[in-house]
Amino acid sequence: SAVISQKPSRDICQRGTSLTIQCQVDSQVTMMFWYRQQPGQSLTLIATANQGSEATYESGFVIDKFPISRPNLTFSTLTVSNMSPEDSSIYLCSVGSDLSYGYTFGSGTRLTVV
Amino acid sequence: RKEVEQDPGPFNVPEGATVAFNCTYSNSASQSFFWYRQDCRKEPKLLMSVYSSGNEDGRFTAQLNRASQYISLLIRDSKLSDSATYLCVVRGRGGSQGNLIFGKGTKLSVKP
Repeated sequence: SAVISQKPSRDICQRGTSLTIQCQVDSQVTMMFWYRQQPGQSLTLIATANQGSEATYESGFVIDKFPISRPNLTFSTLTVSNMSPEDSSIYLCSVGSDLSYGYTFGSGTRLTVV
Repeated sequence: RKEVEQDPGPFNVPEGATVAFNCTYSNSASQSFFWYRQDCRKEPKLLMSVYSSGNEDGRFTAQLNRASQYISLLIRDSKLSDSATYLCVVRGRGGSQGNLIFGKGTKLSVKP
């Protein structure tokens, strides 16, 4: 399975600022996703990162708040913009190459907004 | 009704015990099913896929009942290292074909 490097692993940020999270994969992958896991909650899909085009956002998530880039098949970024304490969460990137199989997750970014 | 529902536990069992987790899903058009394991403060990792015919991987057995929209995971001869949260995961269909939908997880604690 693919090996994912996700950075940063954690950060403490001031409200109103933005943080960009990077996800680097060691091989080309068809599908890349960004998830959020709030404390005590299950993972929720934020968006599908599409190579060379705009990301596809799930209900409740918008591009202005969570802009995503995917310049090639091995790299993606998620930005959490204009942060508030409610954005404190773990953000995970995930990749997959075949719909028949589950996905591999990055190690996550633990974000705390103060 | 939540899309994927699990008993949150915790399940506290002694080493060597057999423990079963259950999961139900609401979308009858769901295509693929998985169990993931998530250790504390770690990312989820795929434990096993779940097939209609049932499948086994060592001490782990997964079952799927499409008619009842029910998934199960059986762990035999529990080890201390099995302590983790087990996530029931369902893949959508159509517009959400790539979307994995996660249950909240069932916490397992195996005691000596």
